[in-house]
Amino acid sequence: GAVVSQHPSWVICKSGTSVKIECRSLDFQATTMFWYRQFPKQSLMLMATSNEGSKATYEQGVEKDKFLINHASLTLSTLTVTSAHPEDSSFYICSARVGGRNHNEQFFGPGTRLTVL
Amino acid sequence: KNQVEQSPQSLIILEGKNCTLQCNYTVSPFSNLRWYKQDTGRGPVSLTIMTFSENTKSNGRYTATLDADTKQSSLHITASQLSDSASYICVVSPLKAAGNKLTFGGGTRVLVKP
Repeated sequence: GAVVSQHPSWVICKSGTSVKIECRSLDFQATTMFWYRQFPKQSLMLMATSNEGSKATYEQGVEKDKFLINHASLTLSTLTVTSAHPEDSSFYICSARVGGRNHNEQFFGPGTRLTVL
Repeated sequence: KNQVEQSPQSLIILEGKNCTLQCNYTVSPFSNLRWYKQDTGRGPVSLTIMTFSENTKSNGRYTATLDADTKQSSLHITASQLSDSASYICVVSPLKAAGNKLTFGGGTRVLVKP
């Protein structure tokens, strides 16, 4: 199956700093990637849809100025958590869609654990 | 509103035993239904994927069933192993979801004890 990687796998930062998380599709091109957040013992919550070459689409309640998404190439999307605070501590997971617009097979990355002190 | 409900929320089974996880959904029409395994601190990994016309799909010791009439799916784990301890998530892909959004169940946390 298609492989999606994330970097870093975990990060600890001080409150007020910014953190960038990368999501890469390793063996396929992905025009669309998705960013999810997962709190302990809960399921994944979609934060935003990242579209190559255009602006990301954010879900209701997700601050676009706080969670900056850049999908600069067909294999890379980045999520930057700006001015991170302890409540941003969470497990962030990306997925990449394989195939065209009518094909909805998504492969997930291994996740990034963010801890904000 | 599209929903996916899973039961039980958690369960404990002894190594070697079988178990069945349930998924009820209201998403209709849908493109496909998938079961994922998520180990703690890891991303979800696909176990099975079924379209609305399929009613069973196996992947090793994992067998998923789908009843499109009652909008129910199940995941059966045979001869459980310690490595089966994980969360299992039922995910439904609506046929024409805006932005291709998936609908996630809350997951069932399985703990296999020796």
